[in-house]
Amino acid sequence: GAGVSQSPSNKVTEKGKDVELRCDPISGHTALYWYRQSLGQGLEFLIYFQGNSAPDKSGLPSDRFSAERTGGSVSTLTIQRTQQEDSAVYLCASRAGTGVAEQYFGPGTRLTVT
Amino acid sequence: KQEVTQIPAALSVPEGENLVLNCSFTDSAIYNLQWFRQDPGKGLTSLLLIQSSQREQTSGRLNASLDKSSGRSTLYIAASQPGDSATYLCAVKGGGSYIPTFGRGTSLIVHP
Repeated sequence: GAGVSQSPSNKVTEKGKDVELRCDPISGHTALYWYRQSLGQGLEFLIYFQGNSAPDKSGLPSDRFSAERTGGSVSTLTIQRTQQEDSAVYLCASRAGTGVAEQYFGPGTRLTVT
Repeated sequence: KQEVTQIPAALSVPEGENLVLNCSFTDSAIYNLQWFRQDPGKGLTSLLLIQSSQREQTSGRLNASLDKSSGRSTLYIAASQPGDSATYLCAVKGGGSYIPTFGRGTSLIVHP
């Protein structure tokens, strides 16, 4: 079956503009994660959705970052008033409902803020 | 707070060698540990998942072990090949949270 997909694969934007990144999880997966990976850095957790529960937003670095998940499927990560330090690869992962299941990652969106 | 460390940070070996990548974690109250590989410019590919009740998992030339009491996992790669060249990451999930903690990865180069 189809894996996790993300779009766009690459995004170049000017400082100050807003961007939206999309994630399509594996069908039936109730959990969805967003991460950020900066050059030479590890994976930084951003936000976690589980079913209809309130999302865990504890990893969002500032109020310029927000995410939503509509209908328990597709998720959109929005970054407002982008800054150069937002340049990174944004990765999405999904997993089946049980907390002990493995995560499956999408290919990522490479964001460059000029 | 869980901390995950991977040693070495980088490794270069000739083709055919057997090698061991290490992952250590500070909080032994884990649900599971997952090993991934990441190719340049790509997302993460899951290799092996070890539940807290398990000691090891095997897939082809890969074997991952887990010792919770000492806070360690190892990924053993047998008969390494140039196609194994990638960054290998481990992720630990536990402590009452479903948010995994990732190590910084080991960058592996297998040269012909």
